[in-house]
Amino acid sequence: GQNIDQPTEMTATEGAIVQINCTYQTSGFNGLFWYQQHAGEAPTFLSYNVLDGLEEKGRFSSFLSRSKGYSYLLLKELQMKDSASYLCAVCDSNYQLIWGAGTKLIIKP
Amino acid sequence: GAGVSQSPSNKVTEKGKDVELRCDPISGHTALYWYRQRLGQGLEFLIYFQGNSAPDKSGLPSDRFSAERTGESVSTLTIQRTQQEDSAVYLCASSLVAFSTDTQYFGPGTRLTVL
Repeated sequence: GQNIDQPTEMTATEGAIVQINCTYQTSGFNGLFWYQQHAGEAPTFLSYNVLDGLEEKGRFSSFLSRSKGYSYLLLKELQMKDSASYLCAVCDSNYQLIWGAGTKLIIKP
Repeated sequence: GAGVSQSPSNKVTEKGKDVELRCDPISGHTALYWYRQRLGQGLEFLIYFQGNSAPDKSGLPSDRFSAERTGESVSTLTIQRTQQEDSAVYLCASSLVAFSTDTQYFGPGTRLTVL
């Protein structure tokens, strides 16, 4: 079967750095997405990786290793507004998005 | 439009009633998706449309659920004889085309509560 694993919850301190991991086992791979979802709101797109390596976008970076079935989202200089759930989703061989359950990130002052 | 819109934003209904949820995708997006999200859980894929066609309905939870799309635009998700386990947020998303890696853009969702 297809499986996406993420930690359920993480806590970090304002101004610090946090890494949210995602491991996947899917039938085929056509890229991995990260979305941010604030409580009670819709998911919003953060990043897309299809090649191995690190992609940086401001305070957020996303890393992919296809051979390991592994990705992480790195958030730097954490702000209180970064408190949200972070969803990992893999595009499989049928171009269907397989979603993880999300990681709830709690930022403490 | 500027983004994906959904209506109503909230719907409270009694068990056994039918409900209709509406989604207006981003103009020009040919692909449209419906998801369900129960409280504190991840996204559960329900169905997608490429144009007005839904090639695969196997993600719909039961035969009480149906969806249609007209004019390659608005879509409605209908739940008949609602049950308490149908309570969830129903999210709609659209993208340029299906069968691609195009980014999906989400609407604000409809929060359905079945009493």
